[in-house]
Amino acid sequence: GDSVTQMQGQVTLSEDDFLFINCTYSTTWYPTLFWYVQYPGEGPQLLLKVTTANNKGISRGFEATYDKRTTSFHLQKASVQESDSAVYYCVLGDRGSALGRLHFGAGTQLIVIP
Amino acid sequence: EAAVTQSPRNKVAVTGGKVTLSCNQTNNHNNMYWYRQDTGHGLRLIHYSYGAGSTEKGDIPDGYKASRPSQENFSLILELATPSQTSVYFCASGDLRVEQYFGPGTRLTVL
Repeated sequence: GDSVTQMQGQVTLSEDDFLFINCTYSTTWYPTLFWYVQYPGEGPQLLLKVTTANNKGISRGFEATYDKRTTSFHLQKASVQESDSAVYYCVLGDRGSALGRLHFGAGTQLIVIP
Repeated sequence: EAAVTQSPRNKVAVTGGKVTLSCNQTNNHNNMYWYRQDTGHGLRLIHYSYGAGSTEKGDIPDGYKASRPSQENFSLILELATPSQTSVYFCASGDLRVEQYFGPGTRLTVL
């Protein structure tokens, strides 16, 4: 079945460091891929979205590129700020159903030290 | 602004008791979803709905029922709550062509 793998449970960085969060996915369909971000006390919210049509998403300084060959969808940011501290989820959209189901990875807690 | 609200925000229940979690959306989305969030598992889908009157099982439906009486409202029902259902529950609305909008969550503790 469709699945997403995030191996990094927690990443701790200093302000202005480079961020890289790994994500790989498995699906038999052409994927729609998302990164969602969850701040403390809130529900997840969409950070960026990528489809096979555009391959790359950019939002709020974050960037993710979909690589069909390696089935990867890593999240990057050149210079993190303390306000980026949150949980980041790699998410696969299930186009095999009309329901628009999402498959979430386990999440990566980002802690940015000022 | 899209809006999904949940009530209650916090709930303490006793084992064997009945718990109802409520969700309301003003987005006019056809699809609604209930997830639970546990450390190491991300969000897992419990039940979902295509529209008023419909409910479908997600990936972990055992021990849960759902009800969609209207376009705006979607409830999650635990008929006989157990400690293993202690978790944070999120409701969402949307579909694959637009983002899913999540509510703020309900923290449920079953003693």
